[in-house]
Amino acid sequence: GQQLNQSPQSMFIQEGEDVSMNCTSSSIFNTWLWYKQDPGEGPVLLIALYKAGELTSNGRLTAQFGITRKDSFLNISASIPSDVGIYFCAGPRNSGNTPLVFGKGTRLSVIA
Amino acid sequence: KAGVTQTPRYLIKTRGQQVTLSCSPISGHRSVSWYQQTPGQGLQFLFEYFSETQRNKGNFPGRFSGRQFSNSRSEMNVSTLELGDSALYLCASSRDSPNEKLFFGSGTQLSVL
Repeated sequence: GQQLNQSPQSMFIQEGEDVSMNCTSSSIFNTWLWYKQDPGEGPVLLIALYKAGELTSNGRLTAQFGITRKDSFLNISASIPSDVGIYFCAGPRNSGNTPLVFGKGTRLSVIA
Repeated sequence: KAGVTQTPRYLIKTRGQQVTLSCSPISGHRSVSWYQQTPGQGLQFLFEYFSETQRNKGNFPGRFSGRQFSNSRSEMNVSTLELGDSALYLCASSRDSPNEKLFFGSGTQLSVL
């Protein structure tokens, strides 16, 4: 079935470092969504990607839609303490009006 | 434009009780989805409502139910609460389809004692 595998599962980084995480699938996705969830809050949409090869930025965040359409990457530059949280990737299944598929998330911790 | 509003924010119940959670979607959004999130787990899909009808359902027991009203507001109910039902319950809305961009509320943190 369509599953999304996120890696790494968790990461500890020093403030100021750059971060890279990815999301892969054995199936093709036509849209990739990246969400961030702060502790005790709901996920917030960060970036949406709609085209293979697309590179989109949102401040210090940059996400790319993989050429094969089976993966996506999220990079965070110059991390700060408020980047702490869980980052989820998500995408729609091929059939219409069915729920998004979510990855299990990458938990990011930033050490000041 | 107001975001997705969930009430209450926190709830403490005891085993065997029932609970009702409420969600007001973004104005103009007709699809409302519910998710359960437990520590260390991802987002588990419960169900999705559109035009007052349940359109999609996840793999949860019948103790979990929901409904949607004509103004798109939604409620979910959990009957005969179990300790394992302790979780963050998230509501998300989208314009027409659950596979579009979802906008989440802050969630209701349910603790079952």
